[in-house]
Amino acid sequence: EIVLTQSPGTLSLSPGERATLSCRASQSVSSSYLAWYQQKPGQAPRLLIYGPSSRATGIPDRFSGSGSGTDFTLTISRVETEDFAVYYCQQYDSSPGTFGQGTKVEIK
Amino acid sequence: QLQLQESGPRLVKPSETLSLTCTVSGGSISTSSYYWGWVRQPPGKGLEWIGSIYYSGSGSTKYNPSLKSRVTISVDTSKNQFSLNLRSVTAADTAVYYCARQRVVYVNLGWFDPWGQGTLVTVSS
Repeated sequence: EIVLTQSPGTLSLSPGERATLSCRASQSVSSSYLAWYQQKPGQAPRLLIYGPSSRATGIPDRFSGSGSGTDFTLTISRVETEDFAVYYCQQYDSSPGTFGQGTKVEIK
Repeated sequence: QLQLQESGPRLVKPSETLSLTCTVSGGSISTSSYYWGWVRQPPGKGLEWIGSIYYSGSGSTKYNPSLKSRVTISVDTSKNQFSLNLRSVTAADTAVYYCARQRVVYVNLGWFDPWGQGTLVTVSS
């Protein structure tokens, strides 16, 4: 199965700063079949990005996804207070679909 | 607005069967282009896909190989529900269990959206 490794484990930022989250796959993810989710404490994950650069319905344009092959990035152009959460990537190129271990974005 | 809600026992004894049901409201489970899946998250840990099912009469299922020997997912289109059975549970199966709609992307199972709120199931005697 494809293993996804997310970095950094924790990202400490101030509101207004740019966040760059990485997701690296153990083998190429063809057709860029990768998604990103946001999870806040006590809540279910929420889809942010799929495919790997299409925003889900209602997701602000400060969130963007990019990448191909084995390296993918989620960028938050200017972090807002509501964006402090854990972010997961998911590949759906090969079965079983797998998730990264998560990156926590916390307030600095 | 499509909503999903998990239900079932919150406490299961070791070696027994964990059974959960997901009720879909605000839309039909009998929809092409989507599977209906289960994902779990042990406390403080990451996400693991368990398996997914299609609504069709044959109820095509796909399971994570790591759990396949213990998992059965079924669908009841008349009730707009799908269910999870996980047999022979141990403490390692303690987790928040989520149900979610899963988009089909060509022949692949794709992203999950939306998700149910999740239910914590504890395996303990």
